[in-house]
Amino acid sequence: ETGVTQSPTHLIKTRGQQVTLRCSSQSGHNTVSWYQQALGQGPQFIFQYYREEENGRGNFPPRFSGLQFPNYSSELNVNALELDDSALYLCASSYTGPGETQYFGPGTRLLVL
Amino acid sequence: EDQVTQSPEALRLQEGESSSLNCSYTVSGLRGLFWYRQDPGKGPEFLFTLYSAGEEKEKERLKATLTKKESFLHITAPKPEDSATYLCAVQPYRANSKLTFGKGITLSVRP
Repeated sequence: ETGVTQSPTHLIKTRGQQVTLRCSSQSGHNTVSWYQQALGQGPQFIFQYYREEENGRGNFPPRFSGLQFPNYSSELNVNALELDDSALYLCASSYTGPGETQYFGPGTRLLVL
Repeated sequence: EDQVTQSPEALRLQEGESSSLNCSYTVSGLRGLFWYRQDPGKGPEFLFTLYSAGEEKEKERLKATLTKKESFLHITAPKPEDSATYLCAVQPYRANSKLTFGKGITLSVRP
């Protein structure tokens, strides 16, 4: 058990809708990263938050946004959902700085119809 | 741009048949190379971190090694419960230390 939890486990949305995914890290894990994993692919980096500030972003459009809260929880928001957004969304938390080992949660499976 | 290539894409072994999984990488300043195991529909489970060429780490039937261009995950006498997808990722020395993953190697071990 990594102590990283995500909710919901599964979600079905329609194209154009908005979705919020949640992640809860271990106490003391002040860095959280979000990844998108399409079927048969490795995880792709979306963005990272360190002490509640965005600390880098991958090649994802602005409709992907995030927040990190002081209680070690975080959110991934996706606006104007597209069919290609269907994927497993993973959050990973790490202790101390951004360069430490990242521990992943179980993921949220999003299906966009 | 950081790149990770894993081979083969899939590997089928008989129980007890040892083998190696390959991870080739290019990165501008390697901070760490990570191996994860992922079961279907679940999040990646951390296995090893390697930091410098020549380093080796072991855990049960798994042994990870690192050179300046690639890493190997050696599996000795595998069991059916070792069946999973094995992911390799690199982390650079940058303020934003994202992980860049390969596509993974799907290992199937037959009893």
